[in-house]
Amino acid sequence: GEDVEQSLFLSVREGDSSVINCTYTDSSSTYLYWYKQEPGAGLQLLTYIFSNMDMKQDQRLTVLLNKKDKHLSLRIADTQTGDSAIYFCAESSLTGNQFYFGTGTSLTVIP
Amino acid sequence: DAMVIQNPRYQVTQFGKPVTLSCSQTLNHNVMYWYQQKSSQAPKLLFHYYDKDFNNEADTPDNFQSRRPNTSFCFLDIRSPGLGDAAMYLCATSRDRADTQYFGPGTRLTVL
Repeated sequence: GEDVEQSLFLSVREGDSSVINCTYTDSSSTYLYWYKQEPGAGLQLLTYIFSNMDMKQDQRLTVLLNKKDKHLSLRIADTQTGDSAIYFCAESSLTGNQFYFGTGTSLTVIP
Repeated sequence: DAMVIQNPRYQVTQFGKPVTLSCSQTLNHNVMYWYQQKSSQAPKLLFHYYDKDFNNEADTPDNFQSRRPNTSFCFLDIRSPGLGDAAMYLCATSRDRADTQYFGPGTRLTVL
């Protein structure tokens, strides 16, 4: 399968910005996603970006896509304690009919 | 408003005692997925249904089975749970393959 890699841990202070990074290998990716998982809960779709876009902004969330480097990032502005969770990136490929998850990044927000 | 519902949220079973987890959806999506997620790991796809067409992942143990009696419901059957099967089980749906997946809240399975 395809590799989707993320750093495991990130700690930020409340009010700062968080940047969570993801790299992938599938050059035929169609959509790239960010999911949030709080403890003991399912995965909540946060946002997604089509592969022909460079950036998407949605309130405090900014997604940046560098297709050449196969690098995706999620920036959370004014990070709050409620943002503490595990964040998964995922990519889908219509050619392969596949959906791949990254390894997940655990975000800890320090009050 | 719940779109993907899983029951029960918590399930305790004994070693070797069959257990069934349930998933239902109100989205009328064609595809339903079952994932296993162990602590601090990404979800691992067990199998999916595209309409009535069952698709098993190559490394999914035979101990895991699934049924989809209609569009709305999908069940995960674990025939003889072992201690290693204790995990969170996540159901997801999508309109089509490789389309956006929407997840239920999960069922936490404990095996005693």
